[in-house]
Amino acid sequence: DAGVTQSPTHLIKTRGQQVTLRCSPKSGHDTVSWYQQALGQGPQFIFQYYEEEERQRGNFPDRFSGHQFPNYSSELNVNALLLGDSALYLCASSDGTSGEQFFGPGTRLTVL
Amino acid sequence: ILNVEQSPQSLHVQEGDSTNFTCSFPSSNFYALHWYRWETAKSPEALFVMTLNGDEKKKGRISATLNTKEGYSYLYIKGSQPEDSATYLCASPLFSGGTSYGKLTFGQGTILTVHP
Repeated sequence: DAGVTQSPTHLIKTRGQQVTLRCSPKSGHDTVSWYQQALGQGPQFIFQYYEEEERQRGNFPDRFSGHQFPNYSSELNVNALLLGDSALYLCASSDGTSGEQFFGPGTRLTVL
Repeated sequence: ILNVEQSPQSLHVQEGDSTNFTCSFPSSNFYALHWYRWETAKSPEALFVMTLNGDEKKKGRISATLNTKEGYSYLYIKGSQPEDSATYLCASPLFSGGTSYGKLTFGQGTILTVHP
């Protein structure tokens, strides 16, 4: 079992561009959550996908959107990038029953 | 308390020392408390999920206790080793309608450095 995987590992973009990050959940998991971790802070919840629908959303603007595919993998899209979007983006998967979330290694996004 | 908070922010100990740190969370509408260990360049690793007041869990030299009435959890490491160096995060599914599958609210983490 590969666990939760994310791609790419690192990404550099410029202000105003758009970015797509990808996540494959742990085998048997159907729920994917995305978190943003800025330097010196704990991860902040962006949103969660279940059955291809956004189930919960944190305090992030509409520039942050997502998608879940029938195979439960997920994408996080960020439009009109700002310098403040520079962060580590973590994906976590769960099976919706135990509540335990398993995390991927993250994608480091740098916005110049 | 309205959020999840951790203390101290960082901790330096010598190999062999025992150490502990604190996670505070809202005591009302409590559902669960998660502890994670996060080593640099790796994925956060789940240590414990705790749900019952008075719960005590153990994994090797690491143990955790939970007090839901006063809203805190302690994580203990006995006989710290350099490989225990990591950021330790706690999280709780606050404001999720009492469900554990909802969003996790994390503390800012405690960075532990164990010196040989």
